[in-house]
Amino acid sequence: GQSLEQPSEVTAVEGAIVQINCTYQTSGFYGLSWYQQHDGGAPTFLSYNALDGLEETGRFSSFLSRSDSYGYLLLQELQMKDSASYFCAVRRGGGSYIPTFGRGTSLIVHP
Amino acid sequence: DAGVIQSPRHEVTEMGQEVTLRCKPISGHDYLFWYRQTMMRGLELLIYFNNNVPIDDSGMPEDRFSAKMPNASFSTLKIQPSEPRDSAVYFCASSLGRGGYEQYFGPGTRLTVT
Repeated sequence: GQSLEQPSEVTAVEGAIVQINCTYQTSGFYGLSWYQQHDGGAPTFLSYNALDGLEETGRFSSFLSRSDSYGYLLLQELQMKDSASYFCAVRRGGGSYIPTFGRGTSLIVHP
Repeated sequence: DAGVIQSPRHEVTEMGQEVTLRCKPISGHDYLFWYRQTMMRGLELLIYFNNNVPIDDSGMPEDRFSAKMPNASFSTLKIQPSEPRDSAVYFCASSLGRGGYEQYFGPGTRLTVT
């Protein structure tokens, strides 16, 4: 089987940096995706890591360590609009590459 | 591109009624996914199609649920008969290429079964 662990909630202040962790247990790991979902909205794709290291996209960065079965999403210069849920999703190989989503982390940004 | 289109956006129905949710994927995308999201169970994959063919329906809760994709631009998810525990937000998503690690989600259909 497989499992993904994320903190249920993270709080931070505007302008700060926050890291949302994701640990996973799965066979045939292929890659890790991150999605953002605002209340009442749909998930939107943020990033994907297949190789170890850091991927940067503007204020958001995503990191993967395959040996530690661990990844994180880093949000810099937090803004109020970043308050949302963030999901990591593991993509497995072995014929079915479809990602499985974690339960999500609710990020609350305070002024 | 208009993105993934879902209809209706909201559906309120009585237990026992048939419910049909509709989805138009992004043109050119070859994968289509149906998800259900609830507070209790999170985001669950129900079924996905590749080139209009159902590949994995192991997430479909029971025989009351069925999904079809008659062509590349249209899919339906049907619940018959509906039950209160089916109340959830149902998302359709599409992607291009193998595996669909970058999926584009529709706005969802909020289903309430009373």
